[in-house]
Amino acid sequence: GENVEQHPSTLSVQEGDSAVIKCTYSDSASNYFPWYKQELGKRPQLIIDIRSNVGEKKDQRIAVTLNKTAKHFSLHITETQPEDSAVYFCAARGAAGNKLTFGGGTRVLVKP
Amino acid sequence: GAVVSQHPSRVICKSGTSVKIECRSLDFQATTMFWYRQFPKQSLMLMATSNEGSKATYEQGVEKDKFLINHASLTLSTLTVTSAHPEDSSFYICSALADTQETQYFGPGTRLLVL
Repeated sequence: GENVEQHPSTLSVQEGDSAVIKCTYSDSASNYFPWYKQELGKRPQLIIDIRSNVGEKKDQRIAVTLNKTAKHFSLHITETQPEDSAVYFCAARGAAGNKLTFGGGTRVLVKP
Repeated sequence: GAVVSQHPSRVICKSGTSVKIECRSLDFQATTMFWYRQFPKQSLMLMATSNEGSKATYEQGVEKDKFLINHASLTLSTLTVTSAHPEDSSFYICSALADTQETQYFGPGTRLLVL
């Protein structure tokens, strides 16, 4: 089955700096890659997603890039703010079925 | 965005009892619902996929007789943890998927504590 690796597990950045989280996946047929933000004790919330026919997608301070050849995708947060502090999860959906496989998560701390 | 509710938000029960958790899609019809378990500081682990009107598909290592899933309508799926034990204590989260969408929308989760 699909395997998703996520790095780093923790990331501390100064307010205003950029944060980058990287994920790799194993199933070359995977076609959908969402990113979720989860605050402590809360539900995961979709922040951005990308499909396999697109290489990059941006939404204000958040961008995601996808390299299908290398089977990796990354989340970029620019001009970080304290409210960006949370755990971020990448996920990949294989070609068979609708289920998502999640990465291990990245705990991001933005220091004021 | 689509709204998914979950009830109860937290439950404490005695070892050996059963607990039912409900997951509802409030403003859309969910042909598929997913049940996840999340231990502290860990990722979401898929337990099972629930399709309306058919038997749930369980992930490897998840006991179907212990975690009973019923997806009786397009807006409701239930997870029953039978004969709960302290090691079942966890955060259980459902998500729902509409037929026309790719995005999974998550419920707020149920924190289960088994004493």
